[in-house]
Amino acid sequence: EDQVTQSPEALRLQEGESSSLNCSYTVSGLRGLFWYRQDPGKGPEFLFTLYSAGEEKEKERLKATLTKKESFLHITAPKPEDSATYLCAVRPSYNFNKFYFGSGTKLNVKP
Amino acid sequence: DAGITQSPRHKVTETGTPVTLRCHQTENHRYMYWYRQDPGHGLRLIHYSYGVKDTDKGEVSDGYSVSRSKTEDFLLTLESATSSQTSVYFCAISGEGAQETQYFGPGTRLLVL
Repeated sequence: EDQVTQSPEALRLQEGESSSLNCSYTVSGLRGLFWYRQDPGKGPEFLFTLYSAGEEKEKERLKATLTKKESFLHITAPKPEDSATYLCAVRPSYNFNKFYFGSGTKLNVKP
Repeated sequence: DAGITQSPRHKVTETGTPVTLRCHQTENHRYMYWYRQDPGHGLRLIHYSYGVKDTDKGEVSDGYSVSRSKTEDFLLTLESATSSQTSVYFCAISGEGAQETQYFGPGTRLLVL
């Protein structure tokens, strides 16, 4: 069964304290893995797409990496404005009509 | 920002009434999706469309129907609303090849009394 699990469920950091969010996936063939950021009351906002193990993408303080079983979203020196819920999704290669989402990690960065 | 709008943005209705939510895109993308988002469940797929008049069920389709008569519009209908359908509903779109990333609309907050 295709499954996406994100950990931790919630993470509280001090401003400047770097950390990583985890997305573990089980899927029969990966077409793509996607990271999103969601602010309260808004729709998910696209961050990154990763396609193959070893691939890395960066944007400002965020860096996403991918292995055959999991992806990490590394946050370097976070700021309070990075506070949000971060969602991970996979698109299987056998049925690329669908995306499977994890439950998200709620990040709170304190000044 | 991807050109996706949802209407209405907020709606309060009573149990047993039909409700229709609309998603409109200006990107000419092939795929359109309806999700619901509830605390503790994340995003769950209700229905999706892979072309005009081509739709299929997602994991939580009971009590919902969809229609897509034009590329740009995807309608979600709650045939007889129940309190368990109180949720936030998101529409999403995706294309093919280099445009296959899924983009989301702003959401519709639905309260069924």
